[in-house]
Amino acid sequence: QVQLQESGPGLVKPSETLSLTCSVSGYSITSGHYWGWIRQPPGKGLEWIGSVYRSGNTYSNPSLKSRVTISVDTSKNQFSLKLSSVTAADTAVFYCARGRGAAAGPFDFWGQGTLVTVSS
Amino acid sequence: EIVLTQSPGTLSLSPGERATLSCRASQSVSSSDLAWYQQKPGQAPRLLIYDASNRATDIPDRFSGSGSGTDFTLTISRLEPEDFAVYYCQQYGSSPPAFGPGTKVDIK
Repeated sequence: QVQLQESGPGLVKPSETLSLTCSVSGYSITSGHYWGWIRQPPGKGLEWIGSVYRSGNTYSNPSLKSRVTISVDTSKNQFSLKLSSVTAADTAVFYCARGRGAAAGPFDFWGQGTLVTVSS
Repeated sequence: EIVLTQSPGTLSLSPGERATLSCRASQSVSSSDLAWYQQKPGQAPRLLIYDASNRATDIPDRFSGSGSGTDFTLTISRLEPEDFAVYYCQQYGSSPPAFGPGTKVDIK
């Protein structure tokens, strides 16, 4: 069974960089698939942030592209997200997920999500 | 960029009733690259349907998807107590992928 688990600080100060890691178990990232990040502000809908392939190729939402860095560490079976220059509007539950067929989804396995609050 | 709208915003039904949820795209969705997800409070979304009409693994057959182009439908044939949740559609045929705002199915 594929399992994903997000980890990282739950509180980030404005203007700083949010960093999260997703650890994958039950499936090797080197076997394929895209690996994505999706966020959900409290009480709101879902927004795709971006995805990465095992090769390191990345795809990001144009609305966030200049602030987003996604990377993969196949030796640890993990992938990571960095979101720079955060503001309160970036407060959200962040999910990592596996793309079933492509970078854009659909996403068939999800982590439980981690709430990141941007506040001083 | 494709924008998705979902209707109704809230659907109030009783267990055993049929639920019909709509997802409309601002432009044609490539190759019927549309998915439906279910989300319960405090949980991650769960993939129900992909490629507009294919059920994901372990999804009961009371869930079905249909549609193409710009109009898509998720049907729950007979609502079970565990089906009361928020449902999102997502298009992944063009970048950036987009999610609809969701339809909440609650108990009447």
